[in-house]
Parts: sequence; structure tokens; C-alpha cells
Amino acid sequence: DVKVTQSSRYLVKRTGEKVFLECVQDMDHENMFWYRQDPGLGLRLIYFSYDVKMKEKGDIPEGYSVSREKKERFSLILESASTNQTSMYLCASSPPTSGATYEQYFGPGTRLTVT
Amino acid sequence: KQEVTQIPAALSVPEGENLVLNCSFTDSAIYNLQWFRQDPGKGLTSLLLIQSSQREQTSGRLNASLDKSSGRSTLYIAASQPGDSATYLCAVHPGNTPLVFGKGTRLSVIA
Repeated sequence: DVKVTQSSRYLVKRTGEKVFLECVQDMDHENMFWYRQDPGLGLRLIYFSYDVKMKEKGDIPEGYSVSREKKERFSLILESASTNQTSMYLCASSPPTSGATYEQYFGPGTRLTVT
Repeated sequence: KQEVTQIPAALSVPEGENLVLNCSFTDSAIYNLQWFRQDPGKGLTSLLLIQSSQREQTSGRLNASLDKSSGRSTLYIAASQPGDSATYLCAVHPGNTPLVFGKGTRLSVIA
């Protein structure tokens, strides 16, 4: 079974802190994704990566950066956390095929609260 | 731009009832459609994936159908149970871009 793990289930940080959210997958997937999820807004894509050291902006990249130094690990960085970044953060991974059998797998999520 | 809509946003049914969740998308040029389940405060769990060439997929009490030409998919849940209470999301795979998600339908099955 595919396993996507996230470093923390719950995190509380102060405004202005630098925050690292880590995601690791064990299926040698090329693609990895970071989303945030807020009530009424659904899932919104922050950044994604198709390969090591590659990154692409999603729909809401402002205030975030990412790092992909190893294939299995994709980190989301909040350079200076703000209260409007309080949210549920979800990581996902998928194999490289862009076809009919393409399937995405999610981690358990990190509930981040910025005070 | 592809948009995915799920109606209703919330649904409450008595235990044992059969029910249908709806998903519509604006662009029929998709590779597949995936249905997910999300329990409160948790990540998404994949339930069913329907390839663009398929009409339906079944897993236990769940049956998902796809009508690509009309831009619609349904998730049928037979003999609903309180344990089915969750949010159900659908997502389409446009091909060269990441999945496009609907906002989900929150289902409550009342014992």
C-alpha cells in the first residue's frame, strides 16, 4: 500500500515564525503536491513538484515556498507565518503516468494554527 | 478552465437508505475521475477511480458511474450505515495539470 506521511498532525506556531511542514512518501512517486483546505473553500493547490529539485506554483503560492531535495520528501515552508495561514495542510503523491490510471494518494494532514 | 461542482453540499439520510451523490465537470476532456472520502480532521482516502473509457466502477456497497459527454458522475451508496458519514469529494484528471477537485458533499447517516 502507498504510504504518505506528514511530520505532524497538529502544530501551533506564533505569527512571524518560520514553519516547516514535511511530507514523505514510500512509493517512489515522481509527483508530489501540497494543498490547504478551508471550510467553504475546498482544497486549494499551493505547490507541486514533478521531480527532484523541480517545483511549480499552484493556485495560491503566495506566502509559501517548497523544497524537494530528495524524491521521497517534499517540504512546505511558511517563511513568516501569519494568522491567515491557519488551515489544514494536505500532502499528496502520485506516479508519473499522466493517463487513465493516474491516481493520487494523500497523507493524514497537518492542522496548523498560527496565533 | 475545468470546474467541478458537487451538489448538494450536505445531505442527511436515515440508516439503510440508498443514496446518490452528484459530481459535474465543465470540460469533458478528462483522463479519469476519482472519488475520495474524508473523515473529519483527516486526509483523503481514495474510494474509486473511473477511467475515461469506463462507464462505472464498483467496490462493495459503492458504485460510481461516469458520463463523460454530459460531464457527470454519480456515487451510489447502497444500504447506508452511520459509518458512511463523511465528506465525499470527486476530482477529475485533465491530463497535463493536477487534479481538479469539487468542494465535496458532507454526508450524515442517522441511526
